[in-house]
Amino acid sequence: GAVVSQHPSRVICKSGTSVKIECRSLDFQATTMFWYRQFPKQSLMLMATSNEGSKATYEQGVEKDKFLINHASLTLSTLTVTSAHPEDSSFYICSARDGDSPLHFGNGTRLTVT
Amino acid sequence: EDQVTQSPEALRLQEGESSSLNCSYTVSGLRGLFWYRQDPGKGPEFLFTLYSAGEEKEKERLKATLTKKESFLHITAPKPEDSATYLCAVRGGSNYKLTFGKGTLLTVNP
Repeated sequence: GAVVSQHPSRVICKSGTSVKIECRSLDFQATTMFWYRQFPKQSLMLMATSNEGSKATYEQGVEKDKFLINHASLTLSTLTVTSAHPEDSSFYICSARDGDSPLHFGNGTRLTVT
Repeated sequence: EDQVTQSPEALRLQEGESSSLNCSYTVSGLRGLFWYRQDPGKGPEFLFTLYSAGEEKEKERLKATLTKKESFLHITAPKPEDSATYLCAVRGGSNYKLTFGKGTLLTVNP
């Protein structure tokens, strides 16, 4: 089955620094990838939709200058959290679309900003 | 705006005690209702997609059903390894955006 790999699984950074999270589709080409954020006991909330070769589409309320998304190839999308603050601490999950099949999710990245 | 409400928030069962999880939804033009399983600290794992009312799908001890307003995930004779959070999501419209519920945390005691 389709596999989505996300790296790193955990990251701790200091307030004010930037962190990059990678999302790779390992055995298929993903024209569209999605970035979600999940707080404890809450829904997965879509942050942005990333299309290969074009600018990401951000959901209402998500700061595009803070959460930079790059989808430079059909197998890789990156999310960079810039100037991170403690309130950005969360569980970030990417997913990828393989044709019209259900979305496949990565294993998430636990970000802790100190 | 698409909405998904799952109940109960948490469910404790004894091994072998069958039960059902509920997912109520409102969506403009359902393009699919999805069930995922999520283990702690992991991403969601796909279980089922349902597209139209009356549809049913089964996988091992799990069976998902769909009506025009809700979906049920039936768990028959659960085992401790079925313990996880079960997420329901809907896709409406022509894009691939999924709207998720908050999930049901299922604990199966041996």
